[in-house]
Amino acid sequence: QKEVEQNSGPLSVPEGAIASLNCTYSDRGSQSFFWYRQYSGKSPELIMSIYSNGDKEDGRFTAQLNKASQYVSLLIRDSQPSDSATYLCAARMDSSYKLIFGSGTRLLVRP
Amino acid sequence: NAGVTQTPKFQVLKTGQSMTLQCAQDMNHNSMYWYRQDPGMGLRLIYYSASEGTTDKGEVPNGYNVSRLNKREFSLRLESAAPSQTSVYFCASSEFPGINEQFFGPGTRLTVL
Repeated sequence: QKEVEQNSGPLSVPEGAIASLNCTYSDRGSQSFFWYRQYSGKSPELIMSIYSNGDKEDGRFTAQLNKASQYVSLLIRDSQPSDSATYLCAARMDSSYKLIFGSGTRLLVRP
Repeated sequence: NAGVTQTPKFQVLKTGQSMTLQCAQDMNHNSMYWYRQDPGMGLRLIYYSASEGTTDKGEVPNGYNVSRLNKREFSLRLESAAPSQTSVYFCASSEFPGINEQFFGPGTRLTVL
């Protein structure tokens, strides 16, 4: 059973819209959560991290965490074609050095 | 400041051949990681090194060995390559074990025929 689940997409949104990316995790011991962006043929890069319930905003990005529902989301406001990429959700238990990645959601922003 | 570098960028092997993937970081990070990425599977941890002199297995270690040569370098060896090891391999590093941001290298695309 995959420990971190994401819809593979593609999620297609028009330019300027809000893109909503979702992730669920199975291990209640997970404490730290991360969103990585990966352009086609490139390596992942960290865009957001979140550790406590609620929202965390950074520019056009907002991460949301609900530990009771074991649910993490990433909102991208005013989506741009340059946001078109695969977004990877990752979770880590505080007792572990390991990041567990989801399989990623492909986002396509239409001009 | 190159960050994390990996060599080679591309490699084609025949079944049973061996090879070593090289990784180096110039950020003075303590921890280094090897991942593989397959279509639809996301990133899976093969081995990691929390600090110089230590290595530990990740999710998918079978068929691989690693060496933490020094603080900068962490190599991944395939002793007898199999088609199931066809994948993109990423090396990553972080300042300390479990620290949030892992910086990834550009990847090695390996095909085993």
